[in-house]
Amino acid sequence: AQTVTQSQPEMSVQEAETVTLSCTYDTSESDYYLFWYKQPPSRQMILVIRQEAYKQQNATENRFSVNFQKAAKSFSLKISDSQLGDAAMYFCAYRRGYGGSQGNLIFGKGTKLSVKP
Amino acid sequence: ETGVTQTPRHLVMGMTNKKSLKCEQHLGHNAMYWYKQSAKKPLELMFVYSLEERVENNSVPSRFSPECPNSSHLFLHLHTLQPEDSALYLCASSQDLWDSGNTIYFGEGSWLTVV
Repeated sequence: AQTVTQSQPEMSVQEAETVTLSCTYDTSESDYYLFWYKQPPSRQMILVIRQEAYKQQNATENRFSVNFQKAAKSFSLKISDSQLGDAAMYFCAYRRGYGGSQGNLIFGKGTKLSVKP
Repeated sequence: ETGVTQTPRHLVMGMTNKKSLKCEQHLGHNAMYWYKQSAKKPLELMFVYSLEERVENNSVPSRFSPECPNSSHLFLHLHTLQPEDSALYLCASSQDLWDSGNTIYFGEGSWLTVV
């Protein structure tokens, strides 16, 4: 069974600084997707960034980028120029590459990010 | 404005009550999901619907009963719940079930407290 581990329950960053959130996963599959979701106090889960396992190039979305190390099964999220609005719970998630009823998101326990002004 | 709307946002119910959570998606998606988010566990997938048919039930107790009358609406009927069922219940949708690259969109959740 696939598992996702986020080893940092809480992180803190100064506004305008850079922070990296860690995620590791375990799978025997070769085809899969990895995601970072953000959950602000409103509780809506919002997709931050997505990585296809078959792509070697790390995904980037504006201030958000990932460091995807497939062999190490590591998928960290880097937030540059942190803003107060980045404060939220961040969840790493895995999804098997083929869909159907088994192709659903498996989440880590989350990392609570605080941004200090 | 979210494409996935959940009501009510907060619900307090007794263990003998019967209540329902409602989810509506305005995205034209074919797959809908119920997730449970509790304080001590990662998000857990409860039910999956594709084109109004239930395709997965992850060993969820029968006191939770889903209903999907059409591709835009999803309900979670609740009866004789236990205090440990208190949690945030998240509804989500995606274009379809078969492309794992599809983005899954979430609603803001319904906070359930069982007393």
